[in-house]
This record gives sequence, C-alpha cells and structure tokens, in this order.
Amino acid sequence: EPEVTQTPSHQVTQMGQEVILRCVPISNHLYFYWYRQILGQKVEFLVSFYNNEISEKSEIFDDQFSVERPDGSNFTLKIRSTKLEDSAMYFCASSDINYGYTFGSGTRLTVV
Amino acid sequence: RKEVEQDPGPFNVPEGATVAFNCTYSNSASQSFFWYRQDCRKEPKLLMSVYSSGNEDGRFTAQLNRASQYISLLIRDSKLSDSATYLCVGRSGGSYIPTFGRGTSLIVHP
Repeated sequence: EPEVTQTPSHQVTQMGQEVILRCVPISNHLYFYWYRQILGQKVEFLVSFYNNEISEKSEIFDDQFSVERPDGSNFTLKIRSTKLEDSAMYFCASSDINYGYTFGSGTRLTVV
Repeated sequence: RKEVEQDPGPFNVPEGATVAFNCTYSNSASQSFFWYRQDCRKEPKLLMSVYSSGNEDGRFTAQLNRASQYISLLIRDSKLSDSATYLCVGRSGGSYIPTFGRGTSLIVHP
C-alpha cells in the first residue's frame, strides 16, 4: 500500500532555531497538506499545496512558516525561529481529488 | 472554517458491545465526509468514507443525515483492538481542505 513518508520522526530544537520537516507524498497524488496536532488537541490544518503553489492556508500558517516542493518528490515545511508553542506532531498528508487523505506517521517537534 | 463537532467521550464499552458515535457539522454545503481512526501518538488513518446512502464495511456502518446535518459511525461486536480515537472529517465542495472534529475516544475493555 502506498505510503506518505516523513522524516525525522522526532526533532528536538532550541527556541529560536529553524527546522525543516520533510515529507515524501504518494507519487501520483496532486494535493499536499501539512497539519499539526498539539498533544491532546485536535488535528489542525496548516496549509495545502497544489500545482507548485499554496492553495489555502490557515491563520496558524503565518510568516514563520513556509513550504516548498524542491525536487518534485519532497514536500517540506520550514519553521523559522521556533517558539515553545510550536511543539506538536506535524503530519504531512496527500490526496487525489476523489478519495480520502493519506497521512504520514508524523514528526514530533519538541522546542526547548 | 466550518466546524465539525464530536462528543469527546470516552466511551467505555465491554468487548462485543455495539457502540455508536455521532458527529454534527455546521456547514450545510459540506459534501464529503470521512471517519478516521487515530491511535495514541499515531497518524490518523482513513477508516471509511461516508456516503449519502450509508455504507458498511464489516463491523462498521457509517451514515449521513443531511437534513439533520450529522454523520454517525456504528461499531458492532467491539474488539479490544477497536480502542482508539475516532475522528469525523468534513470537506465542503469548494475546497479540498478537510476539517477535523476533536475526536471521540473509545475504550473497549475485556
């Protein structure tokens, strides 16, 4: 079964540092997403990406965040100047138009 | 963003029990619905899509009531391995962005 792959599985970073979370979506999917889930809370949408550009983003996705698809397979989320409250699980997902979303296993980001 | 509301539970049931979860949505334009399962500290995994006519997959039955704007998930003959959080997800026709409910926690005990 096709998978969405995320690396690293766990990232610890100091407050103020930049982190890049990486994802390899399912190869024939066209829509890519980043979500986050703070421990004990709901899954929150951050951003969607289609046709090499952001198609929608939430209020959470401010100037601190950026996404890229640098080489046609990887899909990255960059967080500049991390804050303590950025600590969460970050899930990448991909989909085609008609079916549900396939999530990666997530990156647990801990900001200390 | 359109809201999807779920009773967080937990629902604590014995093995073999039948349990039902409901989820309400506030946007009448929502067109697609899904149930996801999430185990502790794991990613959400698609359990089933929800169709207007209702659909069944083994012990799981999903139904959509557009008039009352709710989605239901019925689990028959509960197994210990069904213990998880069940997430209701809605998507409106003009957007490919799914909106997640907070999830309903199910605990199946021996």
